[in-house]
Amino acid sequence: DAGITQSPRHKVTETGTPVTLRCHQTENHRYMYWYRQDPGHGLRLIHYSYGVKDTDKGEVSDGYSVSRSKTEDFLLTLESATSSQTSVYFCAISDGGREGNQPQHFGDGTRLSIL
Amino acid sequence: AQKITQTQPGMFVQEKEAVTLDCTYDTSDPSYGLFWYKQPSSGEMIFLIYQGSYDQQNATEGRYSLNFQKARKSANLVISASQLGDSAMYFCAMRETGYSTLTFGKGTMLLVSP
Repeated sequence: DAGITQSPRHKVTETGTPVTLRCHQTENHRYMYWYRQDPGHGLRLIHYSYGVKDTDKGEVSDGYSVSRSKTEDFLLTLESATSSQTSVYFCAISDGGREGNQPQHFGDGTRLSIL
Repeated sequence: AQKITQTQPGMFVQEKEAVTLDCTYDTSDPSYGLFWYKQPSSGEMIFLIYQGSYDQQNATEGRYSLNFQKARKSANLVISASQLGDSAMYFCAMRETGYSTLTFGKGTMLLVSP
């Protein structure tokens, strides 16, 4: 199994509070991704990183920010959480980029509830 | 328009039978890759199989195979000899040239009965 650890695994918080989710990898992969999964929507990309301090927006980036100061860590921050951000969040990693058959490997997910 | 369409919200199959899960895609890019993932009830995402747009043969991985029809823009997953442990959500995803990101379909829930 790919060495990907998401923390926390579960979190309940209140509207308006800041929340940070962490993704830690031990594979030294260049690419890291944050997705959210909601019923009826599949997985939707929030942000991704193609190197240290190199990040870009995905399909549903509003209300989220990310940082990657080290190869192994990719942080997702909700500056002021809203109930619409209640979801399951997945981190993924990949050592390939734009070519090839390199799949993304996923962490176990973080279940975030915002009341 | 959706880039990945999985038209079957749910599928039922009996143990030991084969099942096909549909996936159609939309791209004007001549070079792309298609991926299938499995998500059991425990929640983890498991990579199953990959098909490149220039691959001459349909991809196979054990009991999983891809029925890749490029002209029809479809990449259906075939699971042979279904097992109870195959009950899960299955996602089709696509990567287009120049992008390191995947676009996922909404998934198909497969239930395998004894």
